[in-house]
Amino acid sequence: NAGVTQTPKFQVLKTGQSMTLQCAQDMNHEYMSWYRQDPGMGLRLIHYSVGAGITDQGEVPNGYNVSRSTTEDFPLRLLSAAPSQTSVYFCASSYKRTGGEQYFGPGTRLTVT
Amino acid sequence: EDQVTQSPEALRLQEGESSSLNCSYTVSGLRGLFWYRQDPGKGPEFLFTLYSAGEEKEKERLKATLTKKESFLHITAPKPEDSATYLCAVQANSGGYQKVTFGIGTKLQVIP
Repeated sequence: NAGVTQTPKFQVLKTGQSMTLQCAQDMNHEYMSWYRQDPGMGLRLIHYSVGAGITDQGEVPNGYNVSRSTTEDFPLRLLSAAPSQTSVYFCASSYKRTGGEQYFGPGTRLTVT
Repeated sequence: EDQVTQSPEALRLQEGESSSLNCSYTVSGLRGLFWYRQDPGKGPEFLFTLYSAGEEKEKERLKATLTKKESFLHITAPKPEDSATYLCAVQANSGGYQKVTFGIGTKLQVIP
């Protein structure tokens, strides 16, 4: 099992550009989530999904979009990048039964100039 | 609002010097408390889940305990490879998807 994979590992964007961060898991987990991690702050939830076709907003959803067409994939779209979106982004997945026991991907370090 | 406070922010230990990390929390109905380890440049790695006060879990040199207000991660005779940031998180019984709230973490450095 590859677990949770994320691409790219690093990305630099200019203000106003858009891009998609990819996330995939091969553990057949129902739940998938996107977090951002910034210095001095805990992981903050951006968007989450409880199953294919079902997504909802987390704590900091503005400027981001998600979709979940399959159980395995959960891409995160930045619509118009802003410097405030410079961060490290983590995708995580878990079984519905043990929702807090999350498996995290390796992260994407995004810089917006 | 659920809150998680971890202390200290950073801890430096000599190899073999045992210590504890603290996680204080406020949550409306605890579903679970989680400990993760995060190495630099990597995603968090799940360590333990604790569900109720009095529960304890152990893994190698780590032991996690839980009371109604806080959790401790005890590190016995640490080795340099235990150096990492340790994250605490809580999940509340709020119906439907139970959001997980993370603390900022304790950065542990173990000196040989």
